[in-house]
Amino acid sequence: QQPVQSPQAVILREGEDAVINCSSSKALYSVHWYRQKHGEAPVFLMILLKGGEQKGHEKISASFNEKKQQSSLYLTASQLSYSGTYFCGTKDWNSGNTPLVFGKGTRLSVIA
Amino acid sequence: DAGVIQSPRHEVTEMGQEVTLRCKPISGHNSLFWYRQTMMRGLELLIYFNNNVPIDDSGMPEDRFSAKMPNASFSTLKIQPSEPRDSAVYFCASTSWRVNTEAFFGQGTRLTVV
Repeated sequence: QQPVQSPQAVILREGEDAVINCSSSKALYSVHWYRQKHGEAPVFLMILLKGGEQKGHEKISASFNEKKQQSSLYLTASQLSYSGTYFCGTKDWNSGNTPLVFGKGTRLSVIA
Repeated sequence: DAGVIQSPRHEVTEMGQEVTLRCKPISGHNSLFWYRQTMMRGLELLIYFNNNVPIDDSGMPEDRFSAKMPNASFSTLKIQPSEPRDSAVYFCASTSWRVNTEAFFGQGTRLTVV
C-alpha cells in the first residue's frame, strides 16, 4: 500500500527547518528517502532499517519509528540546493528484495 | 559505471503508434524496475524483474503494455497501441540482490502521445 506523505508542499526561506512525514498503514521493514529535482531522476538520500534508528546526510536526517509505522525527514538550516520533491519508499516486513512503494512526494521550495 | 541508461530521453508519438522504451541497468545489478511518474499518481511501479525473470506485473495498466528482459543488461517496455493517457515520465531503476540497498534510477523517458 502506498505510504502517505505530509505535507504535500512546503516553502522555506534559507536557513529555516522543515519536517516531512511518511506514514504507512502496515508495519514497515525499511524506509528509503529520495530527492528529485525538476526534470531529473530521483536520487537516493538514505535508508532507515531499524525502529528508532536515525541516519544523517549532511544537514538532512531522518528517524524511523517502527511502532508508529512512520518516518520523518528533518531538513535543518535549509539551503537553496535542498529544493526538490522528496519521496519516501517503503518495504513491508519479510519482503526481501522487492520494489519500493513510493508516496506521492512532498514538494520543497527554498527561497532566498 | 555510467549508471542506469534509458533511451530515448524524449518521445513524441501519435495515438495508436507503438512505442518502445529501453533500459540498460547497472552492471552486476540483479533487479530491475519500471516505474511511471505522473503528477496525479506519483511514482507507480509497473513491473519488476529479478535475474531477468518478471516477478510482478500487476502494476501494468493494460494489455497494451508489455515488458521484456532478454538478458541482464537490457530491458524494454513496449506500449502498443499508445494512447494520450499514457503520456508520463517512465523510469527504469536497478538494484543489487542484497536486501535493502539503494535503487539507482535512470534519467527517464518523457513520453508524449498526441
